[in-house]
Amino acid sequence: DARVTQTPRHKVTEMGQEVTMRCQPILGHNTVFWYRQTMMQGLELLAYFRNRAPLDDSGMPKDRFSAEMPDATLATLKIQPSEPRDSAVYFCASGLETGLNYGYTFGSGTRLTVV
Amino acid sequence: AQSVTQLGSHVSVSEGALVLLRCNYSSSVPPYLFWYVQYPNQGLQLLLKYTSAATLVKGINGFEAEFKKSETSFHLTKPSAHMSDAAEYFCAVDSGTPLVFGKGTRLSVIA
Repeated sequence: DARVTQTPRHKVTEMGQEVTMRCQPILGHNTVFWYRQTMMQGLELLAYFRNRAPLDDSGMPKDRFSAEMPDATLATLKIQPSEPRDSAVYFCASGLETGLNYGYTFGSGTRLTVV
Repeated sequence: AQSVTQLGSHVSVSEGALVLLRCNYSSSVPPYLFWYVQYPNQGLQLLLKYTSAATLVKGINGFEAEFKKSETSFHLTKPSAHMSDAAEYFCAVDSGTPLVFGKGTRLSVIA
């Protein structure tokens, strides 16, 4: 089965450090999403791309978060500097947007702990 | 704007009992609706989807959901709960990318 691969699976870092999370979407999928999951807020959309172009990043704190797609096989989410409130599970998902939505495929997530 | 409301953040059922997880949506256009399941320490997995074909949708693991436009609902059911069904379930609506998720319902299954 095709899958979305996220690395690392777990990350513990100190406040103020830079964190980079990586995602390899499913080959052929043209839309990539970054979600954050916390107990308090549930699933929040941070940003998404179509054909590598950013379409919406209004869910991200702009001063510290950035999301990019250097190529079709890699999406990155970077936090600089990290803060304890960024502790969460970050999910990447990919899908094929053709006018009919068949749902997204999620990665296993990166569990981030900022101490 | 579209939205999803999942009634009950936690549902507990006995093994073998009916599972009913409720989802109501709000959408200004005919929606696509989804149920996802999340097992502990895993990502979300697509359970089933409604895309304007049959109103009764069958998914994996014996789950099904019925789209009721008059009630703006898309409730998830399973006739007989199994211990392995214990997980978090998310309803989502799509009236245009991206998906909007509900807050989730945690299902516990009691032996």
